[in-house]
Amino acid sequence: DTGVSQDPRHKITKRGQNVTFRCDPISEHNRLYWYRQTLGQGPEFLTYFQNEAQLEKSRLLSDRFSAERPKGSFSTLEIQRTEQGDSAMYLCASSLESGLSYEQYFGPGTRLTVT
Amino acid sequence: EDKVVQSPLSLVVHEGDTVTLNCSYEVTNFRSLLWYKQEKKAPTFLFMLTSSGIEKKSGRLSSILDKKELFSILNITATQTGDSAIYLCAGRGSARQLTFGSGTQLTVLP
Repeated sequence: DTGVSQDPRHKITKRGQNVTFRCDPISEHNRLYWYRQTLGQGPEFLTYFQNEAQLEKSRLLSDRFSAERPKGSFSTLEIQRTEQGDSAMYLCASSLESGLSYEQYFGPGTRLTVT
Repeated sequence: EDKVVQSPLSLVVHEGDTVTLNCSYEVTNFRSLLWYKQEKKAPTFLFMLTSSGIEKKSGRLSSILDKKELFSILNITATQTGDSAIYLCAGRGSARQLTFGSGTQLTVLP
């Protein structure tokens, strides 16, 4: 499978715990994005990387959220001291910025439930 | 702040009907508009539109962009039950991320 993969697919955690999600982009893609999607809404941008550099962060990304892409390949998104409002689907997408071709391809998502 | 609005929010049709989904956008330094289909999983890419008036087509789906009026439509002809999904449109400006609308929930009844 050469698509975007995410792990885990589902995570249930208690409020106050830390969680970490992983995203493996399509191998030749240089950009990687994190989005969050809640029920009835479209995905909302959180942050993105070009190679290993984190180039932009949304104001939605509070200090409890941190993302890394240490070697320009896979990425992790960590949420510290989870709150019930963090419950959502966390989507990762990747793209190859090449001329006019830069459509983003999404992974299956990690569904987080904070109890 | 960039904004994308889709209408209708939901639509119920019967197999064989033709549907038109609407997307209006306000995106700073607009570059492109993208359509995605989302079933009970991640969005899957359908079309990317960058130029006004040029229709993109894939099977029974087609889409067109009007950069003067800041909107796009997605048409689905001869709908099938497998077309039931949420259809998302997203705008991209000079920033790299996509700004999504809330989606149109399409239900196709047999």
